[in-house]
Amino acid sequence: NAGVTQTPKFQVLKTGQSMTLQCAQDMNHEYMSWYRQDPGMGLRLIHYSVGAGITDQGEVPNGYNVSRSTTEDFPLRLLSAAPSQTSVYFCASSYDRQAHEAFFGQGTRLTVV
Amino acid sequence: AQSVTQPDIHITVSEGASLELRCNYSYGATPYLFWYVQSPGQGLQLLLKYFSGDTLVQGIKGFEAEFKRSQSSFNLRKPSVHWSDAAEYFCAVGVTGKLSFGAGTTVTVRA
Repeated sequence: NAGVTQTPKFQVLKTGQSMTLQCAQDMNHEYMSWYRQDPGMGLRLIHYSVGAGITDQGEVPNGYNVSRSTTEDFPLRLLSAAPSQTSVYFCASSYDRQAHEAFFGQGTRLTVV
Repeated sequence: AQSVTQPDIHITVSEGASLELRCNYSYGATPYLFWYVQSPGQGLQLLLKYFSGDTLVQGIKGFEAEFKRSQSSFNLRKPSVHWSDAAEYFCAVGVTGKLSFGAGTTVTVRA
């Protein structure tokens, strides 16, 4: 029972590089989301998806893209990394948007230099 | 838009003592409320949740929380802390599936 799996766990990027953070869940959850965690700010919603083919912006979407081609996967793309995107990124899933109980991955610690 | 305030950034408590973490929210309707715990280097784990009904909810690891509508609060409590309770605790409000988190409270447990 893997739950929510994020890869990689750690990543260092140079400014301007692009990369994709992977997120997969095996619980057949419809709702998936990405958060970033910064000291003293809690977690902030970047993007979310209510099902395959449907995505929407959260609180801090700038600089990030997402897509949802399958129920299981919800990758987060950084198009041109900036030092301000240095953060810990968490993917979460829940049964549907009303369930609210979110299951979180272990996180990806990203450093942009 | 909803918001969550956790007034205490850091709390230090002795092992065996009681713990209370404060959470205040701002939302027009009855919110869905959650407490999550994050151990160092780990993801978030749900401790407990409130949707409706009994305002005192029990969670895992011996934690409980009380919803007080009049005070817009959802405080987390544990009667006797263990060293393993040292972690960061987040209160969150859920609206149409989107969670808004407080800034977190770090709990240190001293022997």
